[in-house]
Formats: sequence, structure tokens, C-alpha cells
Amino acid sequence: SYELTQPPSVSVSPGQTARITCSGDALPKQYAYWYQQTPGQAPVLVIYKDSERPSGIPERFSGSSSGTTVTLTISGVQAEDEADYYCQSADSSGSVVFGGGTKLTVL
Amino acid sequence: EVQLLESGGGLVQPGGSLRLSCAASGFTFSSYAMSWVRQAPGKGLEWVSGISGSGSSTYYADSVKGRFSISRDNSKNRLYLQMNSLRAEDTAVFYCAKVYYVTDAFDIWGQGTMVTVSS
Repeated sequence: SYELTQPPSVSVSPGQTARITCSGDALPKQYAYWYQQTPGQAPVLVIYKDSERPSGIPERFSGSSSGTTVTLTISGVQAEDEADYYCQSADSSGSVVFGGGTKLTVL
Repeated sequence: EVQLLESGGGLVQPGGSLRLSCAASGFTFSSYAMSWVRQAPGKGLEWVSGISGSGSSTYYADSVKGRFSISRDNSKNRLYLQMNSLRAEDTAVFYCAKVYYVTDAFDIWGQGTMVTVSS
């Protein structure tokens, strides 16, 4: 299986825009998904199929894709958005891969 | 309410075995693929294994292939993970997760069950 690479940490002030990237060679051919995880809790799906938002997820969460990189954008960051964020994809053999995770700090 | 509830975690010695169970409710269990995902203490998420809705297709991460076995009982709405030849590096919280429609995403997760492999 292949790897997905995320920056270990991103910091942003409240009200600003946070961008978290995820890179992988297969991303031009495979969809990416994003999860938010707060301490002690299970992950929550916030973006699927690169840019779709599940019901109940605030509009400030958006996703985009360009070549081998996908990006999770959080506009107007709030204190409650401080969490770990993971990208995820899959290959044609049915194997699933997660990125290493990015800790978002709201300053 | 759509819900997943794991059980079966605990302390086991290296080389030992453990069987995890995940009880599903609130959705048509047999219609959805399911997976197990684990998270070692202080580490990131790692996909472990997946199974199709019918149970006819199974998938494993290289790290557990040959040691772990995934199965499901659609009549009981339950997902299982049989773990053999456990190693210290298998210590983690194990989550069961439901696939989101016809995608590879996981939209519903259980609360997790802790597996500790130690002598």
C-alpha cells in the first residue's frame, strides 16, 4: 500500500483560515477523506470524496484536490476546532491508508 | 440511533489470542462493509482489516495478515476480529467502523476497546 503525508502540526488564530495538506501518489486516482479527532473520542468524518461534506458538518469545513495533494480548509476557525485531523484513502486492492495526522492548534 | 459498540478488549500476554466483537444497531447491518481501525497510545490511526457486507470479501493490513481474522454474523448484527499471536506492538484502542454508503470512508465509529499486550 502507499503512504499519505501530512504536516505534524498547524497553528492558526481564531477567525483565521486553517489549511491542512495531505500528499500521496495515488490521490489523483483515489478519493480522499478527512476525520477530526478530539482527545479521548472516536474520529468524526468531516469530508468525503475529496470535497463533500456529510450532513451535520459545519460549512466552514471544505476540501479540495490538486494532483497528488488534497487540502482540508477550515474557514473562520473556532476554539472547538482544535483537534487532530487525519486524511484517509484506499487503493484498488481494498487496503485503506491513513495519513499520520495533523494537530491543529488554535492560538 | 445508529450505533456501534465494541467489546472483548483486555490484557493479554505476548503470543496470546483475543476476540473482539462489535454490536451494530440502527441500520441495515448486512448492507454495509465494515472495518477495524486501531490507534496505539499517543499515535495515529491505523486501518487493520475490512469485510464486505455479505462477508465474502476480506482485507487485511500487512502488519496483521496471517495473525488476525475478520468475520461477521449478519443474523446477529455483529462484527468480529479474531487476533492471534499478539505482539506488544498490537497494543492499541481498536475501533469498529461502518463504511459510508458506496465510498471508502467511515461515517460511524464505535467508542473503542483497549487491547494491551504485555507480560
